[in-house]
Amino acid sequence: AQTVTQSQPEMSVQEAETVTLSCTYDTSESDYYLFWYKQPPSRQMILVIRQEAYKQQNATENRFSVNFQKAAKSFSLKISDSQLGDAAMYFCAYRKGGTDKLIFGTGTRLQVFP
Amino acid sequence: EAGVTQFPSHSVIEKGQTVTLRCDPISGHDNLYWYRRVMGKEIKFLLHFVKESKQDESGMPNNRFLAERTGGTYSTLKVQPAELEDSGVYFCASSHLPGQGFGYTFGSGTRLTVV
Repeated sequence: AQTVTQSQPEMSVQEAETVTLSCTYDTSESDYYLFWYKQPPSRQMILVIRQEAYKQQNATENRFSVNFQKAAKSFSLKISDSQLGDAAMYFCAYRKGGTDKLIFGTGTRLQVFP
Repeated sequence: EAGVTQFPSHSVIEKGQTVTLRCDPISGHDNLYWYRRVMGKEIKFLLHFVKESKQDESGMPNNRFLAERTGGTYSTLKVQPAELEDSGVYFCASSHLPGQGFGYTFGSGTRLTVV
């Protein structure tokens, strides 16, 4: 069975600094997708970034980028130039190709200090 | 477009009572999903509707949980009778095209507390 592990329950960063959130996963599949979701307090969960497993190039969305290490089954999220609005729970998720079910990690709470 | 709407946002009920959670997906989204996060643990899949049909209900914990999506629009998730371990945040999500590798659109969740 596929699993997703986020080993950092909490992280903190100062405004304008860079922080990296870790995520590892376990799968025997070759076709899959990986996601990072962000949930601000009492607000909806939104998609931050996604990565197709067949793509070697790391996905980037503005200040958010991933380090996708397929062989190591690692999918970390880097947030550059952190802003106060980045404070949230961040969930790493996996989805097997051709299916609709997301498998989530336990989440990392990110605090951003001014 | 309006997002995925869930209500209530919070619910506190006593053990043994019944609670019904509602989810309004984005208009036109045939796929609707329910997930649950028990405090401190991972978010877990409950079930997936395609229109009014249950495509996958493998994550439903037991028969105290009943999900419906009459008419293929909004969905309800009823817990009857509620137990302490049912406490958590219940998320709903919807998508237009399944299996495409795109993320869903989630609602803000319903925080259920059973006391």
